[in-house]
Amino acid sequence: QSALTQPASVSGSPGQSITISCTGTSSDVGGYNYVSWYQQDPGKAPQLVIYEVSNRPSGISNRFSGSKSGNTASLTISGLQAEDEADYYCSSYSTSTLIHSYVFGTGTKVTVL
Amino acid sequence: QVTLRESGPALVKPTQTLTLTCTFSGFSLSTSGMCVSWIRQPPGKALEWLALIAWDDDEYYNKSLKTRLTISKDTSKNQVVLTLANMDPVDTATYYCARISRGGAWSFDSWGQGTLVTVSS
Repeated sequence: QSALTQPASVSGSPGQSITISCTGTSSDVGGYNYVSWYQQDPGKAPQLVIYEVSNRPSGISNRFSGSKSGNTASLTISGLQAEDEADYYCSSYSTSTLIHSYVFGTGTKVTVL
Repeated sequence: QVTLRESGPALVKPTQTLTLTCTFSGFSLSTSGMCVSWIRQPPGKALEWLALIAWDDDEYYNKSLKTRLTISKDTSKNQVVLTLANMDPVDTATYYCARISRGGAWSFDSWGQGTLVTVSS
């Protein structure tokens, strides 16, 4: 199965808002609301920041929000802070191979200018 | 508190079979809707989903690696084992196990710290 498509990099100044896109197909992102987002600091394991398209786990800042339109999901970080600099990955439940599976995005490096 | 920890060899030779163990606590794989998955990440590259085992013993695999992967569980020991046969240098990666559940809307809500496996002769 093909990875979901994300921009390689996104940057913004402190206080600004940025949006990361995640494009799939009707067999994954477009077909199910099981889209999640992960933040990964260098050398660390990923951490869940958004699940089921737009829900935040306990302890995750409300500066993180998610949405979906058609085959594209998006993660928005508002009020950008230096601590938000990290790699971000989307993930979706998928039936593109006709069996239950999951697929991750290509990853986006967020830089705080 | 949910914790997961991966263990296994740091170095394997080409053609060998890799065996990794995920030992977890804070949940039970006998609970309906509970699953454990394996995910890997080559150095400097993206995450790749590998396999999942469910509370009801169902197994799901990345189609491109299905012939080489086996996932199993020992509920009494709170462990999940992944084997990857015929290792190649391209399989060099950090391997993570993660919890995924119906209650978490099928998101990977807890991860181990990962274990780096290098394939080299």
